[in-house]
Parts: sequence; C-alpha cells; structure tokens
Amino acid sequence: AQKITQTQPGMFVQEKEAVTLDCTYDTSDQSYGLFWYKQPSSGEMIFLIYQGSYDEQNATEGRYSLNFQKARKSANLVISASQLGDSAMYFCAMREATDSWGKFQFGAGTQVVVTP
Amino acid sequence: GEEVAQTPKHLVRGEGQKAKLYCAPIKGHSYVFWYQQVLKNEFKFLISFQNENVFDETGMPKERFSAKCLPNSPCSLEIQATKLEDSAVYFCASSQNARTGREQYFGPGTRLTVT
Repeated sequence: AQKITQTQPGMFVQEKEAVTLDCTYDTSDQSYGLFWYKQPSSGEMIFLIYQGSYDEQNATEGRYSLNFQKARKSANLVISASQLGDSAMYFCAMREATDSWGKFQFGAGTQVVVTP
Repeated sequence: GEEVAQTPKHLVRGEGQKAKLYCAPIKGHSYVFWYQQVLKNEFKFLISFQNENVFDETGMPKERFSAKCLPNSPCSLEIQATKLEDSAVYFCASSQNARTGREQYFGPGTRLTVT
C-alpha cells in the first residue's frame, strides 16, 4: 500500500508567489519522521526540511515551512517567495520507528515550474 | 569525506552484462541505503546496511542483484545479467544513526543505461 501520497503531479507558480505542495501519509506508528527533498533537473537530492511526529511546532527552514496536521496525516510543504531556482521535482518521504528508522518511503513527487 | 561519493557517474551495459556500482558514505556514517529511481519518478528502496551488516534487504530483487559493504572499502551494488528494465538512476544515501530519524544524505547517483 502506498504510504506517501502526493496528488499534484505538476504545478506552475509565478516568481515571488508562495506555493503549497501536498503530502499525505499513512502510518500506524506513533513515532515517525517526515521529510521533503528537492531534485533539480541536474538530478541530485537536496534535503529541505524535517518534521518529527512529536514536534509540536511546524518546522521552518528559511523559505520552506512544513504545515504539519497530524490528525489529518498531512505534511504539506510551503515555499514562500518562489524563485526561478525553485523549479524542480519535490519529494515527500517518511521514515518509521517500527521500520527501525530505516528506509525512506517516498511519494511520487510534484514537478514545480516557477515562471517569471 | 563530507559527501556521499558514487562511481561511476554513468554506466552503459548491454543486456545480459554485469554492472557494478560503488558508494562511499560520509565518514562516520554507519548506515548505507540504496535506492533505484526510474524515469525521475518514484524511488524504490533496494537494500540497507549497518556498517558491513545487511540491515534491510526487503527491496532487493535477489535473483540478479547483490550488494556488499566491507570494512575500509566502498559499498557496492552489483547487477548480474542486466535487463532493459534495470535502466535507472541508482542512489546511495548514508545516515549517521538511523534511530535519530534524521535525514539521509544522498550521493549524486549513478545513471545505468542498459541497451
């Protein structure tokens, strides 16, 4: 069963606007971690932000923030003031304690294109 | 090193040939993970190691894929008798301590093309 769902295959956003990328997850664990990675066209995987299941505050890292709604099992990424360099594929991922904090389970990704 | 290193960057093999990919994790990281990414889409987990021991091999197609992490050597992922469907980017990632639940650091990937 799919554990991470990203329902938006692609999005266009205008420069300087904010964009929200959706991510829902499925786990029965109480302890887990949620991650967002960026993959530009060059192919490397860049870590953006992390949210632990017990963290009460939403995580923020510069222009990235994670809108964590635990009851809804949702971990949306918000990118504020989009820049042309934000054009990339974005992946939501989860690690679970019952999986010994091992492998990532990734979503299918959302392609973001930032336009001038 | 401070980054996960993967070699080679690109690898082309004819169908049925062997392919071997290498990964040097960040110094001090105990966990190594291999993922396969086909067509820039979903990542498929293959195998992970805790030092030289297999940690999780639930994603490994065992009939043709094998992997090792030996002391003082880069980790390796080997595909015997490659098939067209093995064409993908293979990422290696390392993690300091799986139990903290923090991020994995990814290498740049090896693009395998099977012709």
